Amino acid sequence: SQQGEEDPQALSIQEGENATMNCSYKTSINNLQWYRQNSGRGLVHLILIRSNEREKHSGRLRVTLDTSKKSSSLLITASRAADTASYFCATGSTGNTGKLIFGQGTTLQVKP
Amino acid sequence: GAGVSQSPSNKVTEKGKDVELRCDPISGHTALYWYRQSLGQGLEFLIYFQGNSAPDKSGLPSDRFSAERTGGSVSTLTIQRTQQEDSAVYLCASSLAGGGWPETQYFGPGTRLLVL
Repeated sequence: SQQGEEDPQALSIQEGENATMNCSYKTSINNLQWYRQNSGRGLVHLILIRSNEREKHSGRLRVTLDTSKKSSSLLITASRAADTASYFCATGSTGNTGKLIFGQGTTLQVKP
Repeated sequence: GAGVSQSPSNKVTEKGKDVELRCDPISGHTALYWYRQSLGQGLEFLIYFQGNSAPDKSGLPSDRFSAERTGGSVSTLTIQRTQQEDSAVYLCASSLAGGGWPETQYFGPGTRLLVL
């Protein structure tokens, strides 16, 4: 079963604009990860944030985590056409086997 | 190799036939995962290997699905008597330690299975 919801389901922006995607989850977690998927194939890992962290940056990516609200957001700044893809959040929990539970994903289109 | 590899890339089979999907994880990664991605169900966990044992098989949808891992490396996912609802992209991932530690999982390109 899916962990939660991602919002929006689809997002279309112009190159150079910022894109924000949100993820909510239901259970206690020890980490949350964001992945990108192009053309329905393999997932590319973007960033991992631990449950005791509130914000993390990697290049043009900024991830926040609010464990009290069970939510996370991914911000992509100065978007490029090459950022067009589907983005998924995935959560991992302490005491389990490390399996990830994925959200439904956000489809991002960046228009040149 | 440098990353996780999977074979075949695409597989078309007839309903009722058996299929085997292969995954080669990153060398040295003790944890291996199988996931399935379909239009109706999104990305679902299937099974987790720690070394050659599978402590979590909770995601396997039926007893037609089985998997094994040998030598702490290659894994094979077998689907017996395939059904049309088995059509999906099957993704394999590996990570260094597993066991619930916060760590990156590295995904392969997937096998797209179509059951006619």
